[in-house]
Amino acid sequence: SQTIHQWPATLVQPVGSPLSLECTVEGTSNPNLYWYRQAAGRGLQLLFYSVGIGQISSEVPQNLSASRPQDRQFILSSKKLLLSDSGFYLCAWSDGTRNTGELFFGEGSRLTVL
Amino acid sequence: GQNIDQPTEMTATEGAIVQINCTYQTSGFNGLFWYQQHAGEAPTFLSYNVLDGLEEKGRFSSFLSRSKGYSYLLLKELQMKDSASYLCAGIDSNYQLIWGAGTKLIIKP
Repeated sequence: SQTIHQWPATLVQPVGSPLSLECTVEGTSNPNLYWYRQAAGRGLQLLFYSVGIGQISSEVPQNLSASRPQDRQFILSSKKLLLSDSGFYLCAWSDGTRNTGELFFGEGSRLTVL
Repeated sequence: GQNIDQPTEMTATEGAIVQINCTYQTSGFNGLFWYQQHAGEAPTFLSYNVLDGLEEKGRFSSFLSRSKGYSYLLLKELQMKDSASYLCAGIDSNYQLIWGAGTKLIIKP
């Protein structure tokens, strides 16, 4: 069966510090991968999605970046965090072959920037 | 533009029935999802509708009207554990999900 795991679950970072969130998927090949952010009481905002290794699409301009060094690994990074980067970050995957649109989410990473 | 509208918050009583509405405007349409999200957790899949009509799954049912751009999620025999946010998401012509802001459902004893 397919599983998705992201880490760390919680982190508190000072403004201006770097960020790295990692996500891995097991049990499937060539998944579509996504990074979402959810601010408190708000909906899901798509940040990045990837349909293959090295292929990253950015949905919103920001100081974040994403990379996909391996088929089932997706990394969200920042060189210098802003206060506005605080939120709940969710990694997700969908079946790249069947392409039904259904998403399967990781556990989430709660980032607080102070 | 693409848009999903759903109420911000609803309150219901344990044991009762509640209907959460969602209207959508997407560029093309390939179906609509409902997800449940408990506070501090990731969303989990509830239902998928692509054809008009009602899909029933236990205490939860989801309805779609493509001509009206409208869907609802019906929760019966409400339990305290149903307190959560319910997210409506439409699938556009590129199979990208367009998300609503979610409806926070509060269940009272």
